[in-house]
Amino acid sequence: EVVLTQSPGTLSLSPGERATLSCRASQRVGSNYLAWYQQKPGQAPRVLFYGAATRATGIPDRLSGSGSGTDFTLTISRLEPEDFAVYYCQQYGSLPWTFGQGTNVEI
Amino acid sequence: QVQLQESGPGLVKPSETLSLTCSVSGYSITNGYYWGWMRQPPGKGLEWIGYVYHSGSTAYNPSLKSRVTISVDTSENQFSLKLNSVTAADTAVYYCGRDEGYFDYWGKGTLVTVSS
Repeated sequence: EVVLTQSPGTLSLSPGERATLSCRASQRVGSNYLAWYQQKPGQAPRVLFYGAATRATGIPDRLSGSGSGTDFTLTISRLEPEDFAVYYCQQYGSLPWTFGQGTNVEI
Repeated sequence: QVQLQESGPGLVKPSETLSLTCSVSGYSITNGYYWGWMRQPPGKGLEWIGYVYHSGSTAYNPSLKSRVTISVDTSENQFSLKLNSVTAADTAVYYCGRDEGYFDYWGKGTLVTVSS
């Protein structure tokens, strides 16, 4: 199975700053089928990007997804208070679908 | 608007079977897509359990395959999860979702605790 490693584990930043989250795969992700999710306490995850860089409905353009092959990045250009949450990457290029362990973006 | 809602017991005894149902509204399961289950142990990350298509075809995570059954009831527009021989390690919030490979719609999740 494809193992996804996210870094850093925790990112301590302030509102207005830039956040760069990394997701590295143990093998090439087929067709760049890589998704990013945001999860807040007590809530289900919400999809942000799929296909590595396609923004899901309603996601603001200060968030961007990029990458290909084995290295993927989620960037938040200017952190807003509502962006402080845990972020997960997930690959769906090959079964079983797998998730990274998450990056906690905290103030 | 597609909505999903998990239901089932919140407490299961060790060695017994965990059974959950996901009711789908706003979309007919027979129109397509896969329908999946995920789980998240308290304070930990997400794990994909498996999915079912309206035809009944399935795929499971190999780590759980020997204990899992996912089925679909198109007449009720719902799908179900059964996980047998549970242990404390199966304590988690269980989510159902529409599985396009990625998950664009999720239920709110239901906490299932395995304890005697």
